[in-house]
Amino acid sequence: DTGVSQDPRHKITKRGQNVTFRCDPISEHNRLYWYRQTLGQGPEFLTYFQNEAQLEKSRLLSDRFSAERPKGSFSTLEIQRTEQGDSAMYLCASSLGLAGTYEQYFGPGTRLTVT
Amino acid sequence: GESVGLHLPTLSVQEGDNSIINCAYSNSASDYFIWYKQESGKGPQFIIDIRSNMDKRQGQRVTVLLNKTVKHLSLQIAATQPGDSAVYFCAEIPYNNNDMRFGAGTRLTVKP
Repeated sequence: DTGVSQDPRHKITKRGQNVTFRCDPISEHNRLYWYRQTLGQGPEFLTYFQNEAQLEKSRLLSDRFSAERPKGSFSTLEIQRTEQGDSAMYLCASSLGLAGTYEQYFGPGTRLTVT
Repeated sequence: GESVGLHLPTLSVQEGDNSIINCAYSNSASDYFIWYKQESGKGPQFIIDIRSNMDKRQGQRVTVLLNKTVKHLSLQIAATQPGDSAVYFCAEIPYNNNDMRFGAGTRLTVKP
């Protein structure tokens, strides 16, 4: 257990529905990251936050995806109008955010299945 | 385009043998490299890291080697144990950047 938690662990939804995932990072970590991982592939970067500010977004993050970290603690990732291609594991990670430190601690992920 | 990749998708070793997992990268601006282990149903777990100004770094039963000349990274696991069975990813971070790029992974299977 890395100290990063994600909820839910599994989500099955029908195409067109909206889903929201939550991530609780390690409490003293300033940076929070979202990744998507499909079977047999490495995680792909989606976005990251420095405290409550969303500083970078991947081109993978379409306009149906939105992430928030309102108080600089937990974060939510929402997918609107889900598509079957959204089926994947969504991973959250956090890091201290200090200069020269890069180690990211990952949560267990939320597995999304869109039917 | 520039990317992180792996030479072999699967590796099978006998318990007690040493394992070597390889990774090729092409972004010469990468400053920091990490090896992660991912077990089924879990998120990636940090194993060991190395900065671009180093050639070798050792941890407990693991060693990472970095060859910047040929842009090659390897993870050596000594006395491989059944608990080492997992998918191993290398990841790179360019200098002054937070965009960590992962390779596709190598599945290590340890036979008893």
